[in-house]
Amino acid sequence: QVQLVQSGAEVKKPGASVKVSCKASGYTFTSCDIDWVRQATGQGLEWMGWMNPNSGNTAYAQKFQGRVTMTRDTSTNTAYMELSSLTSDDTAIYYCARANPTENRFDPWGQGTLVTVSS
Amino acid sequence: EIVMTQSPATLSVSPGERATLSCRASQSVSTKLAWYQQKPGQAPRLLIHGASTRATGIPARFSGSGSGTDFTLTISSLQSEDFAVYSCQQYNAWPLTFGGGTKVEIK
Repeated sequence: QVQLVQSGAEVKKPGASVKVSCKASGYTFTSCDIDWVRQATGQGLEWMGWMNPNSGNTAYAQKFQGRVTMTRDTSTNTAYMELSSLTSDDTAIYYCARANPTENRFDPWGQGTLVTVSS
Repeated sequence: EIVMTQSPATLSVSPGERATLSCRASQSVSTKLAWYQQKPGQAPRLLIHGASTRATGIPARFSGSGSGTDFTLTISSLQSEDFAVYSCQQYNAWPLTFGGGTKVEIK
């Protein structure tokens, strides 16, 4: 079955960077974009950007431009999201999600990775 | 940016009753609208796409309607496993945006 498995929880200090991984299985990794969405505690979902695993092309939400980098390793079917210059406002659960090939709706999602930013 | 507004924030419903959730877009998204279900400690799950098409494996008690700016998710007869948070997402324009969610709780 199609599955996205993310890396484990992280605790970072303000100003640091975090890199979250998302390993895909059950489908052809290069056939669908991978998007990243985050959710702060008790808040709604916030889209961060997408990456095309075939070309490596990316597009980021304006809010995160200059701070986020999405990459992939096609040899291991793994997508990565790195967020730099962390502040306490970045404390959230980060999800990767597979986008439909023709529409930007998400199915399935990874299980989520909690990133806590605290001094 | 298209703002998605969901109402109500919390809906209290008894098992077996109907639940009607609303999602409104600040400008037209055509039918490029998806609904997701999220249970505590779990990732979102796709329920509906194209405003009214159920995703694979989603029970028929879930239905979606609407186009343009006003959308509705209806759960015809709530089961115990349906108590969760429901979020809408527009994918008509960049950036992709989500509503704030409606929590469906047991009355």
